[in-house]
Amino acid sequence: DAGVIQSPRHEVTEMGQEVTLRCKPISGHNSLFWYRQTMMRGLELLIYFNNNVPIDDSGMPEDRFSAKMPNASFSTLKIQPSEPRDSAVYFCASNGNTGELFFGEGSRLTVL
Amino acid sequence: GQQLNQSPQSMFIQEGEDVSMNCTSSSIFNTWLWYKQEPGEGPVLLIALYKAGELTSNGRLTAQFGITRKDSFLNISASIPSDVGIYFCAGHTGNQFYFGTGTSLTVIP
Repeated sequence: DAGVIQSPRHEVTEMGQEVTLRCKPISGHNSLFWYRQTMMRGLELLIYFNNNVPIDDSGMPEDRFSAKMPNASFSTLKIQPSEPRDSAVYFCASNGNTGELFFGEGSRLTVL
Repeated sequence: GQQLNQSPQSMFIQEGEDVSMNCTSSSIFNTWLWYKQEPGEGPVLLIALYKAGELTSNGRLTAQFGITRKDSFLNISASIPSDVGIYFCAGHTGNQFYFGTGTSLTVIP
């Protein structure tokens, strides 16, 4: 069975550029989460969706960050403009109301 | 957001030894989860616990859901080199998941 699929796995960009990270949740899962992981702060919840609707975006750092979920099988996290402090690993995870959360392999972002 | 208290922060053990780590919270959870993360990979779910007092095994791994619903532990028996990684606990309530700060495990052959 396909797990949570994220792309790209790695992205290196220059400060000021737009970054778009993509996620395909596990089929049938109705909740999708975006996390950011750094050595200093560990796993931080950025935003989560339930049935494609954003429920809690209080973790989104600032207006430069936005997330969308146009349908049940696709979500994007966009950073515009990117800054060096955005460098981190961004994880998408999905949940199907079983109490179990499944993660993708992550997108490692480096902003120069 | 809330973070769980996970200990120890790191462990260096000899191959063959048993390992124990735990998580505590000030809040009650409906589900406790344990994950393993290897370098360059996402966290992989090892064990899910659903009931207070529940004891569940997955191979050499055993985890328990604390009776107060505010804590959980994970044991690894007879450690092997491939057990190396960072282990995270997570508590689930409502539609939120809260994570521990991780236990870094190093197994010395």
